[in-house]
Amino acid sequence: GAVVSQHPSWVICKSGTSVKIECRSLDFQATTMFWYRQFPKQSLMLMATSNEGSKATYEQGVEKDKFLINHASLTLSTLTVTSAHPEDSSFYICSAKRTGITDTQYFGPGTRLTVL
Amino acid sequence: LAKTTQPISMDSYEGQEVNITCSHNNIATNDYITWYQQFPSQGPRFIIQGYKTKVTNEVASLFIPADRKSSTLSLPRVSLSDTAVYYCLVGIYNQGGKLIFGQGTELSVKP
Repeated sequence: GAVVSQHPSWVICKSGTSVKIECRSLDFQATTMFWYRQFPKQSLMLMATSNEGSKATYEQGVEKDKFLINHASLTLSTLTVTSAHPEDSSFYICSAKRTGITDTQYFGPGTRLTVL
Repeated sequence: LAKTTQPISMDSYEGQEVNITCSHNNIATNDYITWYQQFPSQGPRFIIQGYKTKVTNEVASLFIPADRKSSTLSLPRVSLSDTAVYYCLVGIYNQGGKLIFGQGTELSVKP
């Protein structure tokens, strides 16, 4: 159990376009999901907390108008990178919090975004 | 959020037991300790989680002393496929569950 999927697994787009990444919890409901980005040889950096039915909470320095997050159901959160630029190229990873005694987070496989 | 400190890298050989220690001096009463494994270009994979004393599953053991200011992940008889980055995280689970990743430990298992 506790499987989280992401789609697409990789995407290449032109500068100025928008890209949507989906994160799904397949076998449990997640009222809270998180979005991270990871640059080569670096650790994961938390971007935002996505709460079902409410606005996302962004970490300091993350532009909310550039990284749009929607958590419309208990199993789906989406991250849209608007007007993408080459510096947005990164590995984007989501996680879903499985509610319980310890609220363990389970991570998706990640999405590789390359902006040309 | 509790800050964690781990060795940047470790080397081991196949068949050996590997122990990775993480320091978390500011851990709060409600915090659990969770370890994840990450391979290149993949999302982190949950390994083990604990609150105190010892926890064991089919993959690893987690040792937590009484003061909970550190924890040790023990991987028995590692193989080449255990080469990965291992992250120790301490989360405030009753305050949104936000996890802040440290630099992790890059484990290299050699034949």
